[in-house]
Amino acid sequence: KAGVTQTPRYLIKTRGQQVTLSCSPISGHRSVSWYQQTPGQGLQFLFEYFSETQRNKGNFPGRFSGRQFSNSRSEMNVSTLELGDSALYLCASSSQAGPQETQYFGPGTRLLVL
Amino acid sequence: AQSVTQLGSHVSVSEGALVLLRCNYSSSVPPYLFWYVQYPNQGLQLLLKYTTGATLVKGINGFEAEFKKSETSFHLTKPSAHMSDAAEYFCAVISGYSTLTFGKGTMLLVSP
Repeated sequence: KAGVTQTPRYLIKTRGQQVTLSCSPISGHRSVSWYQQTPGQGLQFLFEYFSETQRNKGNFPGRFSGRQFSNSRSEMNVSTLELGDSALYLCASSSQAGPQETQYFGPGTRLLVL
Repeated sequence: AQSVTQLGSHVSVSEGALVLLRCNYSSSVPPYLFWYVQYPNQGLQLLLKYTTGATLVKGINGFEAEFKKSETSFHLTKPSAHMSDAAEYFCAVISGYSTLTFGKGTMLLVSP
């Protein structure tokens, strides 16, 4: 079974631009979560989607948004980019939603904002 | 509320030595606990997890962890370090219907 895939792997943007990141979960998985990883803040939860519905949202500004499609693929969007948005964005999928489910992570998209 | 504290941002061991990475958690309800490993320029890979039942959990690559409720700890151990174990390790907790909360990570350095 193919793992979680994320595209693109690397991105360079400038302040004020917007960016869309894509995540394809493991086949059959219906839950997708997004995390931001930075050296200073570590791994922080962004949001979780299950069957196209946002179940949970982390403490991030409204510039960060996401969605999930009927095939479980997910996208996250960051508008009006700031230098502090430079990070590794990780997507994780699980077969169901719920605390006992193991989350499988993709390789991440590294975003650099100049 | 839940939180995770990993003691030591860096741990250095010699090849063949015991690996011990410390993790303490805080949770108002019975937690599920996880250890993940991250190699450079890669995502996170699950090493092991504790949900319920046996408190000693065995994972991949010879790692194991013991859930100690009285100490609110979930330390990760491996009897004999290998060079390939050099990576960053993250402890994580989830409780109730909240989401995964990660510790800050511990970088494991293995010297020959």
